[in-house]
Amino acid sequence: DVKVTQSSRYLVKRTGEKVFLECVQDMDHENMFWYRQDPGLGLRLIYFSYDVKMKEKGDIPEGYSVSREKKERFSLILESASTNQTSMYLCASSPLGSYNEQFFGPGTRLTVL
Amino acid sequence: DQQVKQNSPSLSVQEGRISILNCDYTNSMFDYFLWYKKYPAEGPTFLISISSIKDKNEDGRFTVFLNKSAKHLSLHIVPSQPGDSAVYFCAAPDIIQGAQKLVFGQGTRLTINP
Repeated sequence: DVKVTQSSRYLVKRTGEKVFLECVQDMDHENMFWYRQDPGLGLRLIYFSYDVKMKEKGDIPEGYSVSREKKERFSLILESASTNQTSMYLCASSPLGSYNEQFFGPGTRLTVL
Repeated sequence: DQQVKQNSPSLSVQEGRISILNCDYTNSMFDYFLWYKKYPAEGPTFLISISSIKDKNEDGRFTVFLNKSAKHLSLHIVPSQPGDSAVYFCAAPDIIQGAQKLVFGQGTRLTINP
């Protein structure tokens, strides 16, 4: 059974803290993605990676960075958390090639106080 | 600029009836579309897809229709069941750097009433 796991389901942090969200997939997928989901805005792509050590900005990369040192792991980093980064964060992976569905993790609900 | 739009934030349907969720897109280069279903506190799961060479794709109770000239697609659920209550997202792939990035609509929250 394919699986994408995220390190935390719920996280509460303070403004200014550095936050790490971890995502691991066991499907040997080349592509990995970080989205945030906000009411009325759908899923918006923050960053994605199509190979180890490769990263591409998505639609809303400001305030975020990513790291992909191993194929199975993709980390999202909030350098200095702010209250407007309170959101649901979703990681996904997909195999190489077009028209492949993405497999999502369960999400991390992050609250920044 | 929202390339994929779901203009109905919510929809309420009686159990056993048909649910119709709509999605519009602006990018005429999109040639494949996916629907995802999301329960609270879970990640989205793939539901059904359609290629632009077709105008209909059916999978059990779920059927997706594509009208390319109108840049419109719809998801039909017949009959609707309480377990169908979820948020539904339509999405289209956009190829960047050889990687497929999905562009999502805002989502429609479907509630099936017993």
